Amino acid sequence: DTEVTQTPKHLVMGMTNKKSLKCEQHMGHRAMYWYKQKAKKPPELMFVYSYEKLSINESVPSRFSPECPNSSLLNLHLHALQPEDSALYLCASSQDSGTGTDTQYFGPGTRLTVL
Amino acid sequence: DQQVKQNSPSLSVQEGRISILNCDYTNSMFDYFLWYKKYPAEGPTFLISISSIKDKNEDGRFTVFLNKSAKHLSLHIVPSQPGDSAVYFCAASGWNRKLIWGLGTSLAVNP
Repeated sequence: DTEVTQTPKHLVMGMTNKKSLKCEQHMGHRAMYWYKQKAKKPPELMFVYSYEKLSINESVPSRFSPECPNSSLLNLHLHALQPEDSALYLCASSQDSGTGTDTQYFGPGTRLTVL
Repeated sequence: DQQVKQNSPSLSVQEGRISILNCDYTNSMFDYFLWYKKYPAEGPTFLISISSIKDKNEDGRFTVFLNKSAKHLSLHIVPSQPGDSAVYFCAASGWNRKLIWGLGTSLAVNP
């Protein structure tokens, strides 16, 4: 089973709203990732959690706040977003073996529209 | 500076024929390479990978070839099917969990 699930599938929010994206995996993976993807572009890394600790933050604005409650769950809290933040937000997970040969498995994404 | 390059933005092939997607990289420290397939508005689906210690990996209709001296890899799909029509991303992985992505090649398989 290589399934990563994400909810919601679609989200429309205003610039003053607070919302959260959720991601779950049950593959026993210890690394989890948030990516942002715009149309016809490759995914853009935002955050990496390793063993539930934030290990990479790619200089993402503070209006995006990640949270890793446990090894299976990853949240992305959104507040005061801008219309240019509209994109497909992807969660991924991998084993985190430390060998550099881990495959990242992606969820289906949340299509976010900021009005 | 694009460290992973997919120089063909699009490719069109006939159903049943071979599709060959190419990828070049510049950083010799990359040691693991992956191919992902992506449909619009969906997450990338992992297809196949290859470690730098190998020169070929095969999984069903998909084969990836790695030429380390040329810093080049290719994905062969044989036979191509209409359902293979998607965007294919090549990605390279180093030690820090980051994937370095190419810009993708849009494959169209015509019936």
